[in-house]
Amino acid sequence: QSALTQPPSASGSPGQSVTISCTGTDNDIGGFNYVSWYQHHPDKVPRLIIYEVYQRPSGVPDRFSGSKSGSTASLTVSGLQPEDEADYYCCSYAGANNFGVLFGGGTKLTVL
Amino acid sequence: QVYLQQSGAGLLKPSETLSLTCAVFGRPLNDYYWTWIRQSPGKGLLWIGEINHNGYTNYSPSLRGRVTISLDTSTKQFFLRLSAVTAADTAMYYCATFDKATYYMDFWGQGSQVTVSS
Repeated sequence: QSALTQPPSASGSPGQSVTISCTGTDNDIGGFNYVSWYQHHPDKVPRLIIYEVYQRPSGVPDRFSGSKSGSTASLTVSGLQPEDEADYYCCSYAGANNFGVLFGGGTKLTVL
Repeated sequence: QVYLQQSGAGLLKPSETLSLTCAVFGRPLNDYYWTWIRQSPGKGLLWIGEINHNGYTNYSPSLRGRVTISLDTSTKQFFLRLSAVTAADTAMYYCATFDKATYYMDFWGQGSQVTVSS
């Protein structure tokens, strides 16, 4: 199965909001509410920031929010802060054909 | 506090077997699934496979046939073996906990850089 599709880059100024999309198919994003998002700073460990489409783990600021429409999931970062500059990856359950999970190609978020 | 500690060889020659270990602290092996993920240079993340405490495994179709994930409940460790490596297997490899009910990875190891070069 192909990876999920994310834009390679996104940007915004401090205080602004940015939305990153993640497009899949009916076999993954469109079929299940098991979308997660990960923040990855260079030379650090990936960090879970959203699970089950919109749920936030404890400790993740509410500036991060998730949503889904059809086969496209979205991550919105509101009130951008310099430390939000990182790579962001979406992930989805890939269905009952034992494909496990699929990741997106990643989006580099730049805070201008 | 959940913590995953990775160890294993970093430099391999083509056709050799990659072996990595992930030690689990702060979470019982029985209650979760365990997974390996890799990131090739300049590319995104790739889910490699999963295992549970009963030994159930599931692998990415792209690596199935070369990959084996196993675990040792007595030492609270799980393992990745990838045979017949090529330069395409050069990547940062991560172990992680895997919530099988809702399909997310909440705790990750520190990463292990593996380079395949002749």
